[in-house]
Amino acid sequence: KAGVTQTPRYLIKTRGQQVTLSCSPISGHRSVSWYQQTPGQGLQFLFEYFSETQRNKGNFPGRFSGRQFSNSRSEMNVSTLELGDSALYLCASSFREAGELFFGEGSRLTVL
Amino acid sequence: DAKTTQPPSMDCAEGRAANLPCNHSTISGNEYVYWYRQIHSQGPQYIIHGLKNNETNEMASLIITEDRKSSTLILPHATLRDTAVYYCIVRSDGSSNTGKLIFGQGTTLQVKP
Repeated sequence: KAGVTQTPRYLIKTRGQQVTLSCSPISGHRSVSWYQQTPGQGLQFLFEYFSETQRNKGNFPGRFSGRQFSNSRSEMNVSTLELGDSALYLCASSFREAGELFFGEGSRLTVL
Repeated sequence: DAKTTQPPSMDCAEGRAANLPCNHSTISGNEYVYWYRQIHSQGPQYIIHGLKNNETNEMASLIITEDRKSSTLILPHATLRDTAVYYCIVRSDGSSNTGKLIFGQGTTLQVKP
């Protein structure tokens, strides 16, 4: 069974631009969550979606947003990019309301 | 969710058991202990989790003290491929917390030949 798929894997943007990242969860998984990983702050929770509704949100500015579609695929968007948004963005999915998360390989964003 | 404390780094000889400690002295009764690891530049990988009993799976064993204030992840025969950052996370498994994990700095385990 296919794992969590994230696209694109690598991308380069310039300050002020916006970016959209995509995540396809494992088939049958309804919860999708997003994380940002930077060398300075480590892994930080961004938000979680379940059945197209945002269920949890981390402490990030409003420039970070997301959504989930009826097929459970999710996208996250970052507007007005800043240099500090350079990071590995990880998506994770889970099947049930408790238990383990399955992570994708991440999308590595570089902001110049 | 309770806070965890882990040593920043550990070394282990290949083929020997790796014992990774974690302190979670403020854990509450309904909180589970989860372990994930992250191999360089990959997404975190689930290893094991438990509530109060010791747990074992094909990857590792989890030993939780009787008072639940600390735990140890055991990799019985470490290989070079086990070199990674290991995260101990405490969380309640209620429906409102499903996808939210609070990661600390973890323990960097270096397995040496």
